[in-house]
Amino acid sequence: QQQVKQSPQSLIVQKGGISIINCAYENTAFDYFPWYQQFPGKGPALLIAIRPDVSEKKEGRFTISFNKSAKQFSLHIMDSQPGDSATYFCAASENTPLVFGKGTRLSVIA
Amino acid sequence: ETGVTQSPTHLIKTRGQQVTLRCSSQSGHNTVSWYQQALGQGPQFIFQYYREEENGRGNFPPRFSGLQFPNYSSELNVNALELDDSALYLCASSPRGSFHEQYFGPGTRLTVT
Repeated sequence: QQQVKQSPQSLIVQKGGISIINCAYENTAFDYFPWYQQFPGKGPALLIAIRPDVSEKKEGRFTISFNKSAKQFSLHIMDSQPGDSATYFCAASENTPLVFGKGTRLSVIA
Repeated sequence: ETGVTQSPTHLIKTRGQQVTLRCSSQSGHNTVSWYQQALGQGPQFIFQYYREEENGRGNFPPRFSGLQFPNYSSELNVNALELDDSALYLCASSPRGSFHEQYFGPGTRLTVT
């Protein structure tokens, strides 16, 4: 049973464009929603996280949008750069553990 | 501030053998979680340790076991290795009072032949 569904599986964006990755969850008890960035051969790095009491959180070029009623949240990467090319994972948790989506491989091309 | 460290970086074992992976948590963190990441998949929760005791476990068999030491470092032990155990094993530590926030180490790549 996949509790967090992530889409798309892969994404190609032009440099300077907006990258958008979506996630949907099933468990309404989830109360923490982080996004991780992972480069090949490295561990996931925490990018940004949101709690369900807010609808949006922005940190630099990264924004999380959260829709509690639809049980969906998304990551927006503004002004995407080639250095953003990586695999992105959404996750959700109720206390512990983190339940991860299957990942989105982002390629930013010049 | 030192982040989460793991050793070894890579490991090759034979089916049926036993393996021990090690993790040092980030300074100021007292909770350690272990995840298994198969190729092309998201990490899957194995278990968490808090105050040297197991504090939650995922859908993994008992041959996966762990320890946490007084300095908050941790070990993951896997007995009777199977080919499907080949994966990247990730350790994550959490700050005091915040189980949610998990900061990952670089992982140990285990290959079982």
